[in-house]
Amino acid sequence: TQLLEQSPQFLSIQEGENLTVYCNSSSVFSSLQWYRQEPGEGPVLLVTVVTGGEVKKLKRLTFQFGDARKDSSLHITAAQPGDTGLYLCAGAGRYGGSQGNLIFGKGTKLSVKP
Amino acid sequence: DTGVSQNPRHKITKRGQNVTFRCDPISEHNRLYWYRQTLGQGPEFLTYFQNEAQLEKSRLLSDRFSAERPKGSFSTLEIQRTEQGDSAMYLCASNWGPSYNEQFFGPGTRLTVL
Repeated sequence: TQLLEQSPQFLSIQEGENLTVYCNSSSVFSSLQWYRQEPGEGPVLLVTVVTGGEVKKLKRLTFQFGDARKDSSLHITAAQPGDTGLYLCAGAGRYGGSQGNLIFGKGTKLSVKP
Repeated sequence: DTGVSQNPRHKITKRGQNVTFRCDPISEHNRLYWYRQTLGQGPEFLTYFQNEAQLEKSRLLSDRFSAERPKGSFSTLEIQRTEQGDSAMYLCASNWGPSYNEQFFGPGTRLTVL
């Protein structure tokens, strides 16, 4: 059973479109991180959300943490080809779990065509 | 500002051989993590160190795997008697301070076992 479910798994859109990707779990996390990973490289941290209901913005990217701290979303406005990559969510401090162990979803593979 | 570095970036080996990977964390980081990522999956936690102490190991870390961080700086991950199922990207991450959640990843070592 996947602890963190990400949807959609694949997304192909045209430049300029908006999109939202989701990260859902039945477990409560103390925080969620979003990473972007390009082929052959390690994940790069985009943002950490900690408080239930928290919204963070990073230029055209908006991240939200659910009120119950079980889910999160990433919204991209006016997507650009440079946004292409694998978007991973990772949960930390799962109730009863380890602090050192990040739990990752399978990711959403985004392709933005010019 | 140098990030996490990993060597080698790519390793091709024959089944049954031993391999060793090295990770150099960001210099002031006292915690170091190893993850494994297979195709189409998010990274999976293997083990982590605080300074030279190995504090947690995943069940994924079979007896053929051993990790060390002898002086609390760089770390090595050795796989003995490699199997085809060991083919994956091996990622190292580091951090420090009160936040266990924001982990900074290296570029990874891609292992192919023939």
